[in-house]
Amino acid sequence: GAVVSQHPSRVICKSGTSVKIECRSLDFQATTMFWYRQFPKKSLMLMATSNEGSKATYEQGVEKDKFLINHASLTLSTLTVTSAHPEDSSFYICSAKDRDYQPQHFGDGTRLSIL
Amino acid sequence: AQSVAQPEDQVNVAEGNPLTVKCTYSVSGNPYLFWYVQYPNRGLQFLLKYITGDNLVKGSYGFEAEFNKSQTSFHLKKPSALVSDSALYFCAVTLGNDMRFGAGTRLTVKP
Repeated sequence: GAVVSQHPSRVICKSGTSVKIECRSLDFQATTMFWYRQFPKKSLMLMATSNEGSKATYEQGVEKDKFLINHASLTLSTLTVTSAHPEDSSFYICSAKDRDYQPQHFGDGTRLSIL
Repeated sequence: AQSVAQPEDQVNVAEGNPLTVKCTYSVSGNPYLFWYVQYPNRGLQFLLKYITGDNLVKGSYGFEAEFNKSQTSFHLKKPSALVSDSALYFCAVTLGNDMRFGAGTRLTVKP
């Protein structure tokens, strides 16, 4: 149980393109979803927290207009990297949980490469 | 504010030997502590958690962790390491909605 599906697993696109990443909880309702960014050999950097039906809460230093997050249902959250540039290249990981104090369940990540 | 620290970037052990990956925490309140493992190009997999009760918590793949309140530690352990245990390990703490991760420790188990 507690499976989170993240799609796509890898994206390679040209600079200036917008890229959408989907995160789905397959067998539970995710009241809260999280988006992380991970640099090579580094820990997870929390980008934003989203609750179903409300605006995402962004961490300090994360551009809201650059990284658009939508959590339209209890099973789906999307991250759109708008007008992506090479510095946006990274490994993006989503996670979801159904209750406070419970483990977060992670997707397998999306490797984004901007040329 | 809550935080966790993983003092070792890298841990190397020989296959069959016991392993320990260290984690210390800092929270104002009773901590909920977690360990996750990450394999290359994958998301994090949940290993175990401590919420309350017995200080020794058993988790997936033969891992266990010991909660030590006086030392504010939650070290991950395994009696006999496998080569397949080689991965990146993260300790995490939460006081509810927000979870904070340590910097990660890369475990390498050599045959």
